[in-house]
Amino acid sequence: QSVLTQPPSASGTPGQRVTISCFGSSSNIGSNTVNWYQQLPGTAPKLLIYSHNQRPSGVPDRFSGSKSGTSASLAISGLQSEDEADYYCAAWDDSLNGRVFGGGTKLTVL
Amino acid sequence: EVQLLESGGGLIQPGGSLRLSCAASGFTFSNYAMSWVRQAPGKGLEWVSAISGGDSTYYADSVKGRFTISRDNSKNTLFLQMNSLRAEDTALYYCAKERRVVVAATNYMDVWGKGTTVTVSS
Repeated sequence: QSVLTQPPSASGTPGQRVTISCFGSSSNIGSNTVNWYQQLPGTAPKLLIYSHNQRPSGVPDRFSGSKSGTSASLAISGLQSEDEADYYCAAWDDSLNGRVFGGGTKLTVL
Repeated sequence: EVQLLESGGGLIQPGGSLRLSCAASGFTFSNYAMSWVRQAPGKGLEWVSAISGGDSTYYADSVKGRFTISRDNSKNTLFLQMNSLRAEDTALYYCAKERRVVVAATNYMDVWGKGTTVTVSS
C-alpha cells in the first residue's frame, strides 16, 4: 500500500490530453513539493516534473504538473505513442521523515 | 556526462548480507546528496535510503536497522550495506543523484543509474 495514491492505469488515443492524479496528505503533498518520474518499459526512471510544475531541460512542454492542497496532477497533451510508460509521483513525507512514491500509473496509448 | 553505475547485486540466502556500490562520474560527487530506490519485480518504486553530501542519513521504515547507507567522497562512490536480508528485499536497486547537497523536502532525484538486481532466496 503506497502512501501516495495513483490510479493503476490510464489510457488515451494519439493527440488526446490525459491526466494522472496523485493523492496524498498534509504531511507529504500538502506541505512539500511534488515530483513526477517517467519509466519507459525496461528502463530506469527519469525525472519528468519537479517542484510541482517545473520541467527539466529536454522534457517537452506537452508535460505539465500542478498541485492543489493534498493532491497533484500530471497532464500530458498531444499524446504520442512514445509516452506509453509508467508514471510515478513522489514527495517528502514529514511524518515518516522520508520520501514516498505513488504506486504508479501505467499509461497506454491506444 | 553524469553517470551512475551500480554493482554488487546477486543471489543471496535469507538472513545474509550484501553490499551494493554506485560509482559516480561527471559531477562533483561531494556536492550532492544521493539516494537508493528499489523496484520489486513487477511492482512500483520504493525509496530506500538517502545520504547528504556529508553524513546525514535517512531510511525507509522497511529497512531501518538492517540497511546502512554510506559514501566515500574521495572515491566518488555510494554504498548500501544490506544485512538480515529477507525475500521481500528482492528488487532492482537504483542509485540516484539528488538535486542538492542536503536531503530536503524540496529535493528531487535528477539522475538515475540502470540498477543492480538483488535476489533473496534459498
